[in-house]
Amino acid sequence: KAGVTQTPRYLIKTRGQQVTLSCSPISGHRSVSWYQQTPGQGLQFLFEYFSETQRNKGNFPGRFSGRQFSNSRSEMNVSTLELGDSALYLCASSSSGFGELFFGEGSRLTVL
Amino acid sequence: QKEVEQNSGPLSVPEGAIASLNCTYSDRGSQSFFWYRQYSGKSPELIMSIYSNGDKEDGRFTAQLNKASQYVSLLIRDSQPSDSATYLCAVNMGGGTSYGKLTFGQGTILTVHP
Repeated sequence: KAGVTQTPRYLIKTRGQQVTLSCSPISGHRSVSWYQQTPGQGLQFLFEYFSETQRNKGNFPGRFSGRQFSNSRSEMNVSTLELGDSALYLCASSSSGFGELFFGEGSRLTVL
Repeated sequence: QKEVEQNSGPLSVPEGAIASLNCTYSDRGSQSFFWYRQYSGKSPELIMSIYSNGDKEDGRFTAQLNKASQYVSLLIRDSQPSDSATYLCAVNMGGGTSYGKLTFGQGTILTVHP
């Protein structure tokens, strides 16, 4: 069974640009969550989608957005990038969304 | 006070010893508790989940939960060098409404030396 797939794995952007990250969950999993991981703040929850509906959202500015498609694949978008957005962005899928998460390898974003 | 706090590391134990990792959480209504392991440069992987007070054993790992004390721990018996990693405590807060939203501790770095 294939795991969670995230693309791209690495990307470099400059301040003010926007970025879109993609996540394909484990087959059959309808819940997709996104997390940001930085050395200073650790793992922080961004948002969670289940059957194309956002069920929960973390304390991030509106520049961070996401969506989920009918096939459960998800994308997150960060607009007007800031230096502080440099981080590892992790996508996780779950069959129920209650915490037993399976993480992808992450997308490492560097903002210059 | 942080919502999820883990004992400060790093923690170093000799091979074959018991490693004890501790975690406290602030939300008394929390229902679900998890331990994730993260190797350097890799993503977190789930190793234990616990939902009821008491102990839960899985191989060399034992998770312990005490909701009254708002405390959860992970014991690793017969520690191996391959157990060297960062261990993350995660809590699903909000009494069951925090779908997919785990609050993570800062992690404890464990080193098992031969």
